[in-house]
Amino acid sequence: GESVGLHLPTLSVQEGDNSIINCAYSNSASDYFIWYKQESGKGPQFIIDIRSNMDKRQGQRVTVLLNKTVKHLSLQIAATQPGDSAVYFCAEMDSSYKLIFGSGTRLLVRP
Amino acid sequence: EPEVTQTPSHQVTQMGQEVILRCVPISNHLYFYWYRQILGQKVEFLVSFYNNEISEKSEIFDDQFSVERPDGSNFTLKIRSTKLEDSAMYFCATRKGAGSNQPQHFGDGTRLSIL
Repeated sequence: GESVGLHLPTLSVQEGDNSIINCAYSNSASDYFIWYKQESGKGPQFIIDIRSNMDKRQGQRVTVLLNKTVKHLSLQIAATQPGDSAVYFCAEMDSSYKLIFGSGTRLLVRP
Repeated sequence: EPEVTQTPSHQVTQMGQEVILRCVPISNHLYFYWYRQILGQKVEFLVSFYNNEISEKSEIFDDQFSVERPDGSNFTLKIRSTKLEDSAMYFCATRKGAGSNQPQHFGDGTRLSIL
């Protein structure tokens, strides 16, 4: 499950800092969005989701923001830890319930 | 926590041979999916499956591909005559029920290498 980051945008942060990962989605009719984390050799792991009737949702150390006007999602990770290093994908669920994935962002956490 | 299980983790096959990738869904999930991720690229939808029927398939899912749930537990993806460009990670995902606010849960994938 590794996405080799030859062309992946990369965000490098210091351990303990907050991280913000951004994503643009394509379909203004999509009403459900998910952030997945993918570690090396693993499948996408569910982090947090949000419906289109919300603009913010918080989990444990993570927050997702949704701006429907500009079709933009962001994932905020508070107090980033080395274990947060991974590739992060946003995905939108279309009307037939399949997922359309974004291209991913690699997060590197510096000790 | 219940998991989606995929086997094998890595499959190496000669071009033109048939491969079968297997998935054991989470037990009370009803909707099943296969996705593919070519190295360095995004995850792409292949096919969705519900009630023993294909619900939707992408243009990637041509006549060489098929899916079935032969015994009510395993969910399989078969590629009849593999091509070099079929080399990728293949992920199975499952979802509990209908409704647009239920996430899909993914297995750890099968790495398929075609020689």
